[in-house]
Amino acid sequence: AQSVTQLGSHVSVSEGALVLLRCNYSSSVPPYLFWYVQYPNQGLQLLLKYTSAATLVKGINGFEAEFKKSETSFHLTKPSAHMSDAAEYFCAVTRGGTGTASKLTFGTGTRLQVTL
Amino acid sequence: NAGVTQTPKFRVLKTGQSMTLLCAQDMNHEYMYWYRQDPGMGLRLIHYSVGEGTTAKGEVPDGYNVSRLKKQNFLLGLESAAPSQTSVYFCASSYSSQDPGRNTEAFFGQGTRLTVV
Repeated sequence: AQSVTQLGSHVSVSEGALVLLRCNYSSSVPPYLFWYVQYPNQGLQLLLKYTSAATLVKGINGFEAEFKKSETSFHLTKPSAHMSDAAEYFCAVTRGGTGTASKLTFGTGTRLQVTL
Repeated sequence: NAGVTQTPKFRVLKTGQSMTLLCAQDMNHEYMYWYRQDPGMGLRLIHYSVGEGTTAKGEVPDGYNVSRLKKQNFLLGLESAAPSQTSVYFCASSYSSQDPGRNTEAFFGQGTRLTVV
């Protein structure tokens, strides 16, 4: 079984400040991990993914995440927040491998607010 | 390239009514999924399909049925809607390939907001 815990349902940062959204996972097999972003009244857009290659993963819009097996974490960061980053962010996990369906298990989400 | 398209975008049902949500993808993906999104609970998998004519239950399948008669379409049915099924429903699709990274990336539709009164 797999699960994801996102610490903090709401995070508020000032424009230009560091963004840090926390995600810890639990998985009995090597996980594939994802961060998705959801803008108001829209679907989910993939920000980045970890699929057992490089542990530091760079995504779109300046976001990156580091897979730390020892800490079972996959935190999302961005050095400098922009107003357009305000959205809800979801961490998700699935077991990888060829021929397997991407049955994602999602965290409960973190709403990021960016203030002037 | 439309990606994943969901129909309708909004719907209000009365308790006991039935309806079908349609998902269509034009990326030739083998796998398709239905999720529901509820406040504070993230997204939860309802049903999924690994190919035309095959379906399987996800985490929260009760009260829903699905069909995949064509590869590009995945239908979600509510036979007798209940207020507990008020939610935003998302369809997604993904590849099946020898590249594990590509295999697991899911593409999402824009969602269907369903209210059952």
